[in-house]
Amino acid sequence: NAGVTQTPKFQVLKTGQSMTLQCAQDMNHNSMYWYRQDPGMGLRLIYYSASEGTTDKGEVPNGYNVSRLNKREFSLRLESAAPSQTSVYFCASSLRADPQETQYFGPGTRLLVL
Amino acid sequence: GQSLEQPSEVTAVEGAIVQINCTYQTSGFYGLSWYQQHDGGAPTFLSYNALDGLEETGRFSSFLSRSDSYGYLLLQELQMKDSASYFCAVSNQAGTALIFGKGTTLSVSS
Repeated sequence: NAGVTQTPKFQVLKTGQSMTLQCAQDMNHNSMYWYRQDPGMGLRLIYYSASEGTTDKGEVPNGYNVSRLNKREFSLRLESAAPSQTSVYFCASSLRADPQETQYFGPGTRLLVL
Repeated sequence: GQSLEQPSEVTAVEGAIVQINCTYQTSGFYGLSWYQQHDGGAPTFLSYNALDGLEETGRFSSFLSRSDSYGYLLLQELQMKDSASYFCAVSNQAGTALIFGKGTTLSVSS
């Protein structure tokens, strides 16, 4: 039981390059989330998927797209990376899209955009 | 929109008690959550308060006052391993996701 896994762990991109961050969970959770974490800014919600087949914008969706591939997998795509997207990206999942449900986080992807 | 305020840093010594406050403004309140994150690690869930009052889980307790839009996390018998960042969170307007505060970094010294 791996919980929430994310790939890659580290990535360096040049401005304008694209990439997809992968996230998978094996807990049969319905809801999945993408956050970014910058120093002094806490965790900011980028996009989330309350259930398979749905996605919604969070606090900071600009410059990102997401795909809920199936119940297990939720990917985050940067179409044209910018230095402002240098951050640590966390994926999380919960049984339901309910604030009382515990969110389980992956180990994070550290992204540097030059 | 949703906003949360918590102190950026708190310091304490081993064995002491520390309180981390969180005030929030929301349009539609469901409850207040707390998460812990060690340096370089992933956030992990600590507690959730939907109703007013104090909830205790071992050395950690969490308090909520809905009328004051205020809550706190109380850590007792502090240990070095409690050095971490602590985040409070409330739900988004739709009640389907969490909005986190900027976090409080707790440093415990011997």
